[in-house]
Amino acid sequence: KQEVTQIPAALSVPEGENLVLNCSFTDSAIYNLQWFRQDPGKGLTSLLLIQSSQREQTSGRLNASLDKSSGRSTLYIAASQPGDSATYLCAVRPGGNQGAQKLVFGQGTRLTINP
Amino acid sequence: DADVTQTPRNRITKTGKRIMLECSQTKGHDRMYWYRQDPGLGLQLIYYSFDVKDINKGEISDGYSVSRQAQAKFSLSLESAIPNQTALYFCATSGEPGRNEQFFGPGTRLTVL
Repeated sequence: KQEVTQIPAALSVPEGENLVLNCSFTDSAIYNLQWFRQDPGKGLTSLLLIQSSQREQTSGRLNASLDKSSGRSTLYIAASQPGDSATYLCAVRPGGNQGAQKLVFGQGTRLTINP
Repeated sequence: DADVTQTPRNRITKTGKRIMLECSQTKGHDRMYWYRQDPGLGLQLIYYSFDVKDINKGEISDGYSVSRQAQAKFSLSLESAIPNQTALYFCATSGEPGRNEQFFGPGTRLTVL
């Protein structure tokens, strides 16, 4: 059974710092991996999608990498801003029949950027 | 306007009541999903639908039912609500060929007393 873990559960850094959020998954047979942002009391916003054949994706100050063989993904945030404060969720879509359309989520990293 | 909308956004109800949560999307996607989110447990898939005639159970479908009224509408029902169904419920869609990126609605906060 695929399991997704995000460490740390919470992170607080000063504004302007570059930071890395980590995601690990137990089964390397994945279809894709998606990073989301969730603001308190709100829905999930898709940030980046990495297909299993890709190594990284970039959007603005965000860069996500994928290493399937080691079961890891990282989300790099450059020049952090207070508006980046949110919970960041990692989710994988398992490959094969097990995957269907299901996403397996980590429990998230709650990020606070201090002005 | 939001691509994926959910109604109601908040609902408080009593044990034993029937509740329906509704989801609509303007993305033109074929696939729709219902998830619930509980503190400390992450998101879990309740049901998903590939099109109006194809509905599938997710990992935690007991106590729930769904209806896909049209490509753009997917409703979740709790036939007889119980307190442990108190959670944040999300609808999602996907459908871009080859990507299967999922897009989420704003969520419905349901409290069962």
